[in-house]
Amino acid sequence: DQQVKQNSPSLSVQEGRISILNCDYTNSMFDYFLWYKKYPAEGPTFLISISSIKDKNEDGRFTVFLNKSAKHLSLHIVPSQPGDSAVYFCAASGFGIYNQGGKLIFGQGTELSVKP
Amino acid sequence: EAGVTQSPTHLIKTRGQQATLRCSPISGHTSVYWYQQALGLGLQFLLWYDEGEERNRGNFPPRFSGRQFPNYSSELNVNALELEDSALYLCASSFGDSNYGYTFGSGTRLTVV
Repeated sequence: DQQVKQNSPSLSVQEGRISILNCDYTNSMFDYFLWYKKYPAEGPTFLISISSIKDKNEDGRFTVFLNKSAKHLSLHIVPSQPGDSAVYFCAASGFGIYNQGGKLIFGQGTELSVKP
Repeated sequence: EAGVTQSPTHLIKTRGQQATLRCSPISGHTSVYWYQQALGLGLQFLLWYDEGEERNRGNFPPRFSGRQFPNYSSELNVNALELEDSALYLCASSFGDSNYGYTFGSGTRLTVV
């Protein structure tokens, strides 16, 4: 049962344009969401996160939007740069009684390619 | 500050053998997590160790096991290796509540032939 889904395995964008990466989840008890970025031969690195009490969080060129009613989140990168080319994973977790026992639930990842 | 370090970087084993993977967390982090990333799949949760105890394990057979040492470093053991165990094994660490995210190491690429 895939609780966090990234339905687009890959995305290609021109440098300077916006990249939009999408993520859907099924468990309404998730209340914290994260995005990680992964380059080949490296581990995932934390990018940005959002709590379920917010619908938007911004950090420089990166903005995450959360739509709780649709159980959907998206990561916007503006403007996209060639160095942003990587695999992006969304992840979800829960607090308190919704704690997932220490684990983050990850999506399958979306490979972003930003072309010069 | 040193990050999460994993060794070896690459490991090639024969089917049926045992593999041992090692992880050193960031200094001060008491929790260690292990994940498997098989080809084309996302990160699958394997194990969580905290203060030397196994706190949770994912949906993997018992031949996947591990331990955490008093210095908080950790070992993942995979017995009776199967071809489908070929994957990138990632270790991560955190201090306190893991729900805010972990710091990952670069992983060990295990190939079973």
